[in-house]
Amino acid sequence: DAGVIQSPRHEVTEMGQEVTLRCKPISGHDYLFWYRQTMMRGLELLIYFNNNVPIDDSGMPEDRFSAKMPNASFSTLKIQPSEPRDSAVYFCASSFGGTSYEQYFGPGTRLTVT
Amino acid sequence: AQSVAQPEDQVNVAEGNPLTVKCTYSVSGNPYLFWYVQYPNRGLQFLLKYITGDNLVKGSYGFEAEFNKSQTSFHLKKPSALVSDSALYFCAVRDHAAGNKLTFGGGTRVLVKP
Repeated sequence: DAGVIQSPRHEVTEMGQEVTLRCKPISGHDYLFWYRQTMMRGLELLIYFNNNVPIDDSGMPEDRFSAKMPNASFSTLKIQPSEPRDSAVYFCASSFGGTSYEQYFGPGTRLTVT
Repeated sequence: AQSVAQPEDQVNVAEGNPLTVKCTYSVSGNPYLFWYVQYPNRGLQFLLKYITGDNLVKGSYGFEAEFNKSQTSFHLKKPSALVSDSALYFCAVRDHAAGNKLTFGGGTRVLVKP
């Protein structure tokens, strides 16, 4: 299996621009998670989906952030407009909720907003 | 609410010596516990988990962890550390009442010196 795939791996953008991060979960996994990692705040759960349906978005910082999962093999996290404080590494993870529960992480997208 | 504490920001150990990374947790029901490792510029990698059964769990790369219900701890151990074990280690807990999301600790940086 190719594992969780994220794109792009690095993104540099200017304040005010729209940013879209992409994720392809492991085939057969029914949960998908978006995290943000910074030195100051550590690893934060932003939102997670089960069978393409958002279950808990309480970690989404504000209305500038939105996430979608149109099908079982694709999810996006969008920031519009972006701000310098959004600079972080964004991880996507997936899991099979049957009996395993461990999450498998993608390589992350390093976002820099100037 | 569930929570995880990793009391040490950093652990230094000489190569060949035993390595222990501490983790304590708080949940309302029976915990599912996990350890992850993160190498520089990489995503988190699953090491091992405790769901039920034997309190001593063996995982990848020679790591093991011991579940202690009375002390609400799940310390990660390795009998003989390698320089290549230098990384950031995260403990996580899943509480049945909180759905399928994991709560992560703040992470412990391990530095193994030759």
